Amino acid sequence: EVQLVESGGGLVQPGGSLRLSCAASGFTFSSYEMNWVRQAPGKGLEWVSYIDSSGTTIYYVDSVKGRFTISRDNAKNSLYLQMNSLRAEDTAVYYCARNPLLEHDYFDYWGQGTLVTVSS
Amino acid sequence: DVVMTQSPLSLPVTLGQPASISCRSSQSLVHSDGNTYLNWFQQRPGQSPRRLIYKVSNRDSGVPDRFSGSESGTDFTLKISRVEAEDVGVYYCMQGTHWPPTFGGGTKVEIK
Repeated sequence: EVQLVESGGGLVQPGGSLRLSCAASGFTFSSYEMNWVRQAPGKGLEWVSYIDSSGTTIYYVDSVKGRFTISRDNAKNSLYLQMNSLRAEDTAVYYCARNPLLEHDYFDYWGQGTLVTVSS
Repeated sequence: DVVMTQSPLSLPVTLGQPASISCRSSQSLVHSDGNTYLNWFQQRPGQSPRRLIYKVSNRDSGVPDRFSGSESGTDFTLKISRVEAEDVGVYYCMQGTHWPPTFGGGTKVEIK
């Protein structure tokens, strides 16, 4: 059974940092592209960042470029999101989501999410 | 970026009756490979999103056959043939043809 379990969320002050983790199991993690998708309270879904299976191709939504860093450790079956210079508008539930092996296909499995709250 | 516009925002439905959700893309979603990468997701209250439909009309594993997807040009529709209580939640369309992937704003399905 595919499982994605996020952790690392919490309350942080504006300008602060957090590192999110996503532990994957039930599939060959090193073969799959991964993403972070967020959802602000009461709002819709927003793709945040993408990383390919080897970790060499990475993309970000414009609003987090230069502040967030996605990475992965295939030996540990884990995905990460380092978030620096956090702003109030980054407050959201952050989900890790897997891409299926079919190109241009997205988000076939999601984790339960971890809440990040940026507030003083 | 491709804008995905869903309607209605809220959809009150009667149990056992059909329901239909619309999604319109700001440009064609037909990829150069001939496929149309339009997905539908369900998010039940308090839960993570779950993919229901991929490439317009293909149901994911375990998705009941009362859910179906269709297209007409840049207009896409998710239909529930007979709404059940477990179908309450917010439904999102999402395009993957053009980078970056973008979501519609969501349609909230509730029971009358």
